[in-house]
Amino acid sequence: EAAVTQSPRNKVAVTGGKVTLSCNQTNNHNNMYWYRQDTGHGLRLIHYSYGAGSTEKGDIPDGYKASRPSQENFSLILELATPSQTSVYFCASGELGGRDTQYFGPGTRLLVL
Amino acid sequence: QQQVRQSPQSLTVWEGETAILNCSYEDSTFNYFPWYQQFPGEGPALLISIRSVSDKKEDGRFTIFFNKREKKLSLHITDSQPGDSATYFCAARGGWAGGLSGKLTFGEGTQVTVIS
Repeated sequence: EAAVTQSPRNKVAVTGGKVTLSCNQTNNHNNMYWYRQDTGHGLRLIHYSYGAGSTEKGDIPDGYKASRPSQENFSLILELATPSQTSVYFCASGELGGRDTQYFGPGTRLLVL
Repeated sequence: QQQVRQSPQSLTVWEGETAILNCSYEDSTFNYFPWYQQFPGEGPALLISIRSVSDKKEDGRFTIFFNKREKKLSLHITDSQPGDSATYFCAARGGWAGGLSGKLTFGEGTQVTVIS
């Protein structure tokens, strides 16, 4: 079974602080994604990656950076957190062809005060 | 703008009834449409998907109907069970960028509650 884990599961941050959300996958997938989920908006893509060393902007990248140091790990970085970034963040890894799906982690609930 | 739209926002059905979830899209290059199921406190998981060359896809009690001309699709859940209570997301992928990256565009979701 595909496995995507995220840490931390819950985070409280202060406005202006730096936040790093981590994601690890054991699926050996090349593609990885970061989404945020907000009521009324569904899931929106922040950044994605084709493989180690690559990061690409998604649909709502402003205020976020991403890092893909290895095949397994993909981080989302909020350099200066704002209350508008309070949300639930999901990481996913994906394969094209075959079952052609994205496998999601359990999510990180972030509250920025 | 929201390129994938879902309706209704929430839906309550009795056990045994058929739940019908609707989805529409704007981008005519979209050619792959997965539906994801999400339970509270969990990440979404792929439920069923369809490609634009087909007009129907069935998997057990779940069926997707696809109308390419109208850019609409629907998910039918027959013989609904309390365990089907979840949020369902319609998503779409297509075009050169989507095909290369696997990028999905998600709808807002429909929250389904099945009452026994």
